[in-house]
Amino acid sequence: EVQLLESGGGLVQPGGSLRLSCAASGFTFSSYAMSWVRQAPGKGLEWVSSISGSTDNTYYADSVKGRFTISRDNSKNMLYLQMNSLRAEDTAIYYCAKVEWLNYFWYWGQGTLVTVSS
Amino acid sequence: QSALTQPRSVSGPPGQSVTISCTGTTGDVGGYNYVSWFQQHPGKAPKLIIHDVNNRPSGVPDRFSGSKSGNTASLTISGLQAEDEAVYYCCSYAGPYTHVFGGGTKVTVL
Repeated sequence: EVQLLESGGGLVQPGGSLRLSCAASGFTFSSYAMSWVRQAPGKGLEWVSSISGSTDNTYYADSVKGRFTISRDNSKNMLYLQMNSLRAEDTAIYYCAKVEWLNYFWYWGQGTLVTVSS
Repeated sequence: QSALTQPRSVSGPPGQSVTISCTGTTGDVGGYNYVSWFQQHPGKAPKLIIHDVNNRPSGVPDRFSGSKSGNTASLTISGLQAEDEAVYYCCSYAGPYTHVFGGGTKVTVL
């Protein structure tokens, strides 16, 4: 059974940093691209970033480019999102998602809440 | 990376059919047959109900169907049921490892 479990969310001041983690199990982690998708309170879904399975190619939404860094450790089945220079508009639930056939998200974690506020 | 355009809300009585549109550009919806749809109930993670324009994952009722014409994709719910009341999001592949979502459509069962 595929399981994705995010952690690392919390309250952080504007300009601060936070690292999110996603523990994956139930599939061959290194064979799949992974993504982060976020949802601001009461708002819609926004794709944030993706990383390829084994070549570590990374891709970002314009809204986070230069501030967020996605990475993975295939030996630990872990996905990460390093978030720097955080802004109030980054406040959201952050979901990690497994990318199927490079084009759709079938499995999602339960999400972790990031709140950027002074 | 502009969001896909969806109507804010649609509604219908039980048993009726409703259709949700999702309009993008040639760089996303129109350029690839890689549109997916998600159902989200309050406080829950999104659930995949359609992928690759018109494919249902196992376990998704066949009253959910998808289609696409040009830059616009559509989700049809045939025979609305009370449990279908939720927010629905479209999502399109937009190039290597990138995706764009729609703003979401609230479906209300009257």
